[in-house]
Amino acid sequence: DSGVTQTPKHLITATGQRVTLRCSPRSGDLSVYWYQQSLDQGLQFLIQYYNGEERAKGNILERFSAQQFPDLHSELNLSSLELGDSALYFCASSGSGTANEKLFFGSGTQLSVL
Amino acid sequence: GQQLNQSPQSMFIQEGEDVSMNCTSSSIFNTWLWYKQDPGEGPVLLIALYKAGELTSNGRLTAQFGITRKDSFLNISASIPSDVGIYFCAVNNDMRFGAGTRLTVKP
Repeated sequence: DSGVTQTPKHLITATGQRVTLRCSPRSGDLSVYWYQQSLDQGLQFLIQYYNGEERAKGNILERFSAQQFPDLHSELNLSSLELGDSALYFCASSGSGTANEKLFFGSGTQLSVL
Repeated sequence: GQQLNQSPQSMFIQEGEDVSMNCTSSSIFNTWLWYKQDPGEGPVLLIALYKAGELTSNGRLTAQFGITRKDSFLNISASIPSDVGIYFCAVNNDMRFGAGTRLTVKP
């Protein structure tokens, strides 16, 4: 158990809809990262937050947004969903979010857009 | 951005065989990390390398930080069925991961 909690584990929705994925980092970790993993694809970095502030942005679509709350949990919002958004979404956390730090991953949310 | 080229893309081996995989880039990095993703789970850190030329072991796993700082290697000795999964290299400068090596071990 990595200590990173993601909910829900599975999500099935329709095109055009909006969903929210939730992540609770390991106790004491200040930084949260979001990744997308499509079928047979590697891990695509989406966005990083540190102590409530956005720190780095990767290949995140404009239809997607995220935030980190004062209690350090994070939410990833996906809107106007398309079939191609179907993927496994992972959250990871680390202590201070600085370079060279190890990431601890949650078990992921499997999103299916029908 | 920098590209991490991981190879091979997949491997099918017999239990007991040794495995080698690598990750290369055109850029220099200060940290190389190797993660393993079991089916249906998130990646888990296996080994972290912080110095060029460093060779680090974790049980049957051995990883090396290339002397040029542009590559890294992961070896698994005497593979067992539970080694099945996807192995990713990563560099922490920009949270980027390689495309992964998918390992299948036949009993």
